[in-house]
Amino acid sequence: GAVVSQHPSRVICKSGTSVKIECRSLDFQATTMFWYRQFPKQSLMLMATSNEGSKATYEQGVEKDKFLINHASLTLSTLTVTSAHPEDSSFYICSARTPVGSREQYFGPGTRLTVT
Amino acid sequence: GQQVMQIPQYQHVQEGEDFTTYCNSSTTLSNIQWYKQRPGGHPVFLIQLVKSGEVKKQKRLTFQFGEAKKNSSLHITATQTTDVGTYFCAAPGGGADGLTFGKGTHLIIQP
Repeated sequence: GAVVSQHPSRVICKSGTSVKIECRSLDFQATTMFWYRQFPKQSLMLMATSNEGSKATYEQGVEKDKFLINHASLTLSTLTVTSAHPEDSSFYICSARTPVGSREQYFGPGTRLTVT
Repeated sequence: GQQVMQIPQYQHVQEGEDFTTYCNSSTTLSNIQWYKQRPGGHPVFLIQLVKSGEVKKQKRLTFQFGEAKKNSSLHITATQTTDVGTYFCAAPGGGADGLTFGKGTHLIIQP
């Protein structure tokens, strides 16, 4: 089956710094990837849709200047949390959908961000 | 925007008992998907339902999609400890088929 990887799996950073998270589709090309955020014991919330070669589409309430998304190739999307604050601490999960066939989304293993 | 309501939030069962989680939407859904997330893990796709009244089975798991395509359920027969985790329903609702997730049902099994 399709495999999606994320790097890093865990990151701790100081308040005010920026953190970049990578999402890769390892064995298929993904024109569209999605970024979700999950707080402890809560559900996944869609943050944005990452489109290869064009600007990301952000969900209502998500600051595009704070969460920078770049989908530079058909296998890589990055999420940069700029000027991170403790309230940004969360589990960030990406997913990718194969361009043809089922609408199944393949999720990455997630990145746990802790901002101190 | 799209909302998917899921109940119950938590379910404690004895091993061997059955378990059911329900999802409800106020709007007609094009499809509904079910995911399982183990503690500390990421969501893993279980199934997608598309047709009105559809019923699909995977071993001890039975998935149903309502006739009006507004509700769905996941039923597990004779739960095992390996079934522990959070079960989410999800439906297209974000941009370009991003998913709107229900709040999830945390299944806790007592041996």
